[in-house]
Amino acid sequence: QKEVEQNSGPLSVPEGAIASLNCTYSDRGSQSFFWYRQYSGKSPELIMSIYSNGDKEDGRFTAQLNKASQYVSLLIRDSQPSDSATYLCAVDSSYKLIFGSGTRLLVRP
Amino acid sequence: GAVVSQHPSRVICKSGTSVKIECRSLDFQATTMFWYRQFPKKSLMLMATSNEGSKATYEQGVEKDKFLINHASLTLSTLTVTSAHPEDSSFYICSARLVEQFFGPGTRLTVL
Repeated sequence: QKEVEQNSGPLSVPEGAIASLNCTYSDRGSQSFFWYRQYSGKSPELIMSIYSNGDKEDGRFTAQLNKASQYVSLLIRDSQPSDSATYLCAVDSSYKLIFGSGTRLLVRP
Repeated sequence: GAVVSQHPSRVICKSGTSVKIECRSLDFQATTMFWYRQFPKKSLMLMATSNEGSKATYEQGVEKDKFLINHASLTLSTLTVTSAHPEDSSFYICSARLVEQFFGPGTRLTVL
């Protein structure tokens, strides 16, 4: 059973802080990794994709991938209350996405 | 990112009726679309992979006769929930794949 594991949270950070979200996966053959943001009652929105080891930055978001450790993370700098949402880690496995259960992030004003 | 639409956004129906949900890729052609279901406070569960011009591939435990999928064109896939029951009430979300997967806004189904 291919799995993606995330801490369910909630992860609570003050406004302006760095939020760090983590994800581990079981399928060593996976090559593509994604972070989605989902607000309550809405569908997931793609934030970042990462395909190779190392860091990938896009604005306030940085995705980090370590295939040897089977570990993906998402850093959100200068967190804003509007970042409060559930963040889903997804791993491409045989052309399908396997989702983690999500980490709920709360950014306190 | 690419745009995926769904219709309707919300539907309420009586037990025993059938409900059709449409999923469209608006600015790209998608040979493959995906249908997910999400219960409250739970993660996305992949129901089936919809392939243009061929039969859908269903995940284990998903009844193909109950959840009918038709992918008749490169921009449209439909999911029909047949003989819906209250336990089918859920948030149904489709996605289409370009390089990454983009999700539609979802359809909230309530079966009375």
